[in-house]
Amino acid sequence: DAGVIQSPRHEVTEMGQEVTLRCKPISGHDYLFWYRQTMMRGLELLIYFNNNVPIDDSGMPEDRFSAKMPNASFSTLKIQPSEPRDSAVYFCASGWTGSYGYTFGSGTRLTVV
Amino acid sequence: QKEVEQNSGPLSVPEGAIASLNCTYSDRGSQSFFWYRQYSGKSPELIMSIYSNGDKEDGRFTAQLNKASQYVSLLIRDSQPSDSATYLCAVTNNAGNMLTFGGGTRLMVKP
Repeated sequence: DAGVIQSPRHEVTEMGQEVTLRCKPISGHDYLFWYRQTMMRGLELLIYFNNNVPIDDSGMPEDRFSAKMPNASFSTLKIQPSEPRDSAVYFCASGWTGSYGYTFGSGTRLTVV
Repeated sequence: QKEVEQNSGPLSVPEGAIASLNCTYSDRGSQSFFWYRQYSGKSPELIMSIYSNGDKEDGRFTAQLNKASQYVSLLIRDSQPSDSATYLCAVTNNAGNMLTFGGGTRLMVKP
């Protein structure tokens, strides 16, 4: 099993540009989570899906952020337009109902200049 | 008040000593409790889970849970320099499907 796969590993973009982060969960997992990590705020849950359906998006900071999960093997997190304060490491994690914790991807380090 | 609280540290212990990491949580309905280890520049890695009151041991690691006091701890025996990392406490909601993380405690094990 390749684990949770995120792309790209690093992204540097200019303020105002659209950014799309991608995640492939572990096959068979029915939960997918997007987290953001910064020094100031730690790990924050942005949104999570169950069976491809968004369950709780209360952590999405504002309308500039959107997430989709068109099928069980792919999810995207989009920021449009991006701002310097969006700079962070974005993690995707997946798990299955009744699992003991979730598995994280390697993360995408986003820098908005 | 944050939902999951941890002392940010750093906690410094000598090699071979016991490191004690603590965590408190606010939701009495929380069902499951986890400890993740995160090395600098890496993703969180699950190292321990605990679901009922008491102790759970796995090698050099012992997780302790006290639901009445809303308190979770992690003991690392015979600490090694390779244990130097940030340790994140995570708690699920009462539905058991959403993980909330504490801010993490940075552990430094000095040779």
